[in-house]
Amino acid sequence: AQTVTQSQPEMSVQEAETVTLSCTYDTSESDYYLFWYKQPPSRQMILVIRQEAYKQQNATENRFSVNFQKAAKSFSLKISDSQLGDAAMYFCASTLTYKYIFGTGTRLKVLA
Amino acid sequence: KAGVTQTPRYLIKTRGQQVTLSCSPISGHRSVSWYQQTPGQGLQFLFEYFSETQRNKGNFPGRFSGRQFSNSRSEMNVSTLELGDSALYLCASSSDRVAFFGQGTRLTVV
Repeated sequence: AQTVTQSQPEMSVQEAETVTLSCTYDTSESDYYLFWYKQPPSRQMILVIRQEAYKQQNATENRFSVNFQKAAKSFSLKISDSQLGDAAMYFCASTLTYKYIFGTGTRLKVLA
Repeated sequence: KAGVTQTPRYLIKTRGQQVTLSCSPISGHRSVSWYQQTPGQGLQFLFEYFSETQRNKGNFPGRFSGRQFSNSRSEMNVSTLELGDSALYLCASSSDRVAFFGQGTRLTVV
C-alpha cells in the first residue's frame, strides 16, 4: 500500500528567506508520480509542482523546487524567496493511477 | 480553459437526509475523482470515474456513491447523512495523472 508522511505539522519562514518542507513516501511500485499541493484559506487545492518517478532530474517551477531522493523515498519541497502569499497548508501526494494518497500537511507561516 | 467547477459551494443538511454534489471537470478531462477532507482524517479518496466507469474506490461505506455522465460531469451522493459526514468534499479532474481541484463543497450535517 502507498503511504505518504509529512512529519512537520507547522513551519515558519521569514519573508524572502528559504524554507524546506519534508515528505517521505512508501510504495512498492516503480511507476508513480509525486506532487506538492498548496491549500490557502480559500480551501482550493493548487498544484505547486510534480515529479515523475522515472525522471532523475529534480523538478523546478520558478521559486519552487524539489529534492527527489528515490532510494530514500524522500520528496522535499524548497521554497526560495518566500512571499506572504506562500502562507498556506502544503500537502505532499503520490499516485500510481488516478488515486491520490495525501500526507497530513504542513502549515507554512510566512513572517513579515 | 475553465477550471473544475463544483456546486453547490455550501450545504447544510439534517441527519438522515441525502445530498447530491456536482462536479464539472476541465474540458477534455475524462477522469474525475472525489475526496473528503476533515480535520481529523485529512484528505481521503472516495472514488474515481473514467469514461462513466468507476475505476477506483476508497474505503467508505456504501452510503457514498457516485456516477459520471457522458460529458464527464460527475455527481456524488451521500444517503442517510450522519454528523460525521460533515466535511469539505473536493472534486478533481485529471489528465496525464495530474489532478486539478475544484473549490470544494462544504457540507455541514446538523
